[in-house]
Amino acid sequence: GAVVSQHPSWVICKSGTSVKIECRSLDFQATTMFWYRQFPKQSLMLMATSNEGSKATYEQGVEKDKFLINHASLTLSTLTVTSAHPEDSSFYICSASGPTGGYTFGSGTRLTIV
Amino acid sequence: QQQVKQSPQSLIVQKGGIPIINCAYENTAFDYFPWYQQFPGKGPALLIAIRPDVSEKKEGRFTISFNKSAKQFSLHIMDSQPGDSATYFCAASKGSGGSNYKLTFGKGTLLTVNP
Repeated sequence: GAVVSQHPSWVICKSGTSVKIECRSLDFQATTMFWYRQFPKQSLMLMATSNEGSKATYEQGVEKDKFLINHASLTLSTLTVTSAHPEDSSFYICSASGPTGGYTFGSGTRLTIV
Repeated sequence: QQQVKQSPQSLIVQKGGIPIINCAYENTAFDYFPWYQQFPGKGPALLIAIRPDVSEKKEGRFTISFNKSAKQFSLHIMDSQPGDSATYFCAASKGSGGSNYKLTFGKGTLLTVNP
């Protein structure tokens, strides 16, 4: 079945630094990538949608200059949290969708800003 | 505006019981209804999905019942086991992926199956 690999699984960074999260589709071409944020005991909140080679479409209220999304190839998308602060601490999850449909989720990244 | 309403928020059953989780949607353009299982610290994993032209779908111990006229769908877990203890999310979308068809999630149900 379709597999999406997300790294790192957890990361701790100092306030003010930037951190990059990678999401790779291992056995299919991910024409569309979705990035979510999830707070404890809450549902997934869609942050942005990206198509390979195009600029990401951000959901209302999500700062595009804070959360940079790159989808340069059909197997790789990255989310960079720039100038991170403690309020950016959260669980970030990617999801990939290919030409045949379906949504495959990564294992998530626990980001902690100290 | 929440487009997919999920209940209950939490559910406790005994081993062997049949927990039922319900979802209701508003957007009649939705035509793909998946259920996801999420363990703590992990991403969601697809359990089972249904389209509106089918009223029921079964995969192993998991069954989706779908009522198009009522705009409701539910997940039944047969012979539940302690290993089924997790958070379950229903979702809906127009289309089943690709081409920017984004999923709309319910708020989740925390299921606990006691031994």
